[in-house]
Amino acid sequence: DTEVTQTPKHLVMGMTNKKSLKCEQHMGHRAMYWYKQKAKKPPELMFVYSYEKLSINESVPSRFSPECPNSSLLNLHLHALQPEDSALYLCASSQGTSGIPDPDTQYFGPGTRLTVL
Amino acid sequence: AQKVTQAQTEISVVEKEDVTLDCVYETRDTTYYLFWYKQPPSGELVFLIRRNSFDEQNEISGRYSWNFQKSTSSFNFTITASQVVDSAVYFCALSLTQGGSEKLVFGKGTKLTVNP
Repeated sequence: DTEVTQTPKHLVMGMTNKKSLKCEQHMGHRAMYWYKQKAKKPPELMFVYSYEKLSINESVPSRFSPECPNSSLLNLHLHALQPEDSALYLCASSQGTSGIPDPDTQYFGPGTRLTVL
Repeated sequence: AQKVTQAQTEISVVEKEDVTLDCVYETRDTTYYLFWYKQPPSGELVFLIRRNSFDEQNEISGRYSWNFQKSTSSFNFTITASQVVDSAVYFCALSLTQGGSEKLVFGKGTKLTVNP
């Protein structure tokens, strides 16, 4: 089973709202990722958590705040977003146990389509 | 620079035609990994294949085949007898190591449309 679930599927929010995106996996993976994908563009990495610790932050603005409460869950807290933050937000997970440079395969969820008004 | 180039932005074929999607990569690493993902209109990225730099054997999985050539830094993907369900955006990606973790660098993607 390679299922990663994301909720909600769609989200519309105003610039003053606070909302959260949720990602869950039950594959025992220890690495989890957030990607942002604008229309007709490739996914761009935002954050990586490895063993529940933030290991990569790709200089993402502070209005995006990730959280990894346990090894199965990954949240992305949103606050004071701008219309240009409208995008598909993808979560992925991987085993996180392979050595470098033997990367694990990342498995993606269906994404949350975010619209900021 | 470490990057992936997918020069074909869009390809349109008629069902049952064969189609090849090109992927050219640049990396300074001697050991590296390449991936192909499929993104149908629903949005989810579906893993198709992973290949390391030591394994230059071509791979076939049903109607899908991959040709990896280190000499030309290419990792091309061929769909034989295409079907309408193959319509999607296909991404080639290179795995990089950063801060003890791995990240994927994606090409810009090739949008494949298979017409009935």
